[in-house]
Amino acid sequence: SQQGEEDPQALSIQEGENATMNCSYKTSINNLQWYRQNSGRGLVHLILIRSNEREKHSGRLRVTLDTSKKSSSLLITASRAADTASYFCATPLGFGNEKLTFGTGTRLTIIP
Amino acid sequence: DAGVIQSPRHEVTEMGQEVTLRCKPISGHDYLFWYRQTMMRGLELLIYFNNNVPIDDSGMPEDRFSAKMPNASFSTLKIQPSEPRDSAVYFCASSPGKGVDQPQHFGDGTRLSIL
Repeated sequence: SQQGEEDPQALSIQEGENATMNCSYKTSINNLQWYRQNSGRGLVHLILIRSNEREKHSGRLRVTLDTSKKSSSLLITASRAADTASYFCATPLGFGNEKLTFGTGTRLTIIP
Repeated sequence: DAGVIQSPRHEVTEMGQEVTLRCKPISGHDYLFWYRQTMMRGLELLIYFNNNVPIDDSGMPEDRFSAKMPNASFSTLKIQPSEPRDSAVYFCASSPGKGVDQPQHFGDGTRLSIL
């Protein structure tokens, strides 16, 4: 079963613009992860944010977490062609559960 | 550092044949996960191991699927007999701790086509 759902399903922007993707989930969690998947490759971990954190940065990535709304966002600033990929949020199936569930993904296309 | 290694990268076989997918996790990682990815169902967890012991196989679709981890550096996922609906990309991932608290490291997958 899927816990997370990303929005939008697809996003196309010009190189240099910022890209924002959202993730909503259903049950209480202790952390949330974001992954990137390039075409034909495996998923690559980007960032993990814990439930007691509101915001986290890693390079051009900024992730926010709002546990009251059960939602998270991933912002990529100054996008590059190499950022073209699918992005997934991943959450534990439930609080204390050892299994990670992945959302449906946002397909991001950066137009050079 | 070597990442998670999966083989083969592509497999095309006929319905009814046995298929074996292989995975070498990152050294020192004590959790190993097998996932399946399709357009219709997204990424699904099939089974995971902790210290070579299967912990949860509730995601394995049918008895035709089986997975083993004979040692810390090798795991297999077997489908016998295979069916066209098994066509998907199968990923192996490993993590140094619980996969919900630690990043999971994915291999590049095996693209399986059952004719």
